[in-house]
Amino acid sequence: KAGVTQTPRYLIKTRGQQVTLSCSPISGHRSVSWYQQTPGQGLQFLFEYFSETQRNKGNFPGRFSGRQFSNSRSEMNVSTLELGDSALYLCASTTGQNTGELFFGEGSRLTVL
Amino acid sequence: AQTVTQSQPEMSVQEAETVTLSCTYDTSESDYYLFWYKQPPSRQMILVIRQEAYKQQNATENRFSVNFQKAAKSFSLKISDSQLGDAAMYFCAYRTTLGETSGSRLTFGEGTQLTVNP
Repeated sequence: KAGVTQTPRYLIKTRGQQVTLSCSPISGHRSVSWYQQTPGQGLQFLFEYFSETQRNKGNFPGRFSGRQFSNSRSEMNVSTLELGDSALYLCASTTGQNTGELFFGEGSRLTVL
Repeated sequence: AQTVTQSQPEMSVQEAETVTLSCTYDTSESDYYLFWYKQPPSRQMILVIRQEAYKQQNATENRFSVNFQKAAKSFSLKISDSQLGDAAMYFCAYRTTLGETSGSRLTFGEGTQLTVNP
């Protein structure tokens, strides 16, 4: 059974640009959540999608957005990139029920210059 | 809101020895899940062990066990017979169980970097 797949693994952008990251969950998983990991702030929850609907949202500005498709794949977008957006972005999937553990992808490392 | 605190930024242990990582949390909920995740240099988060708050029995997974003290809101991880492959960042995490719509949000601690010395 394939794990959670995130693409791209590494990318470099400049300030003001936008970026789209992709996450393919484990087959059968309907929930996808996103986390930002930085040395200063640690792991912070961005948002969660379940059956194409945003179910939870963390405390991030509107520049951070996401969506989920009918096949459960999810994308997150960051517009007008700032230096502080440099981070490892982790995606996790689960069945969607509250008893399920979260399975994480390897992350997308974003560097903003 | 729930908070999770890991007071040990770094820990080290000799190979084959035992080490305990600390975690405390704050919540007003009576039912929830607690997890320990491991993040090796490859950066992929791997679940080490989970504990359901309504279960009094401490969870164990091979060399990994927890000491769950619900009243004290403490959730420590014990690694026995430490191996070089155990070296990683370890995160304690909290997840609510309140209803289907509460979602899969995890609240993480700051992490503890574990070094295993040969």
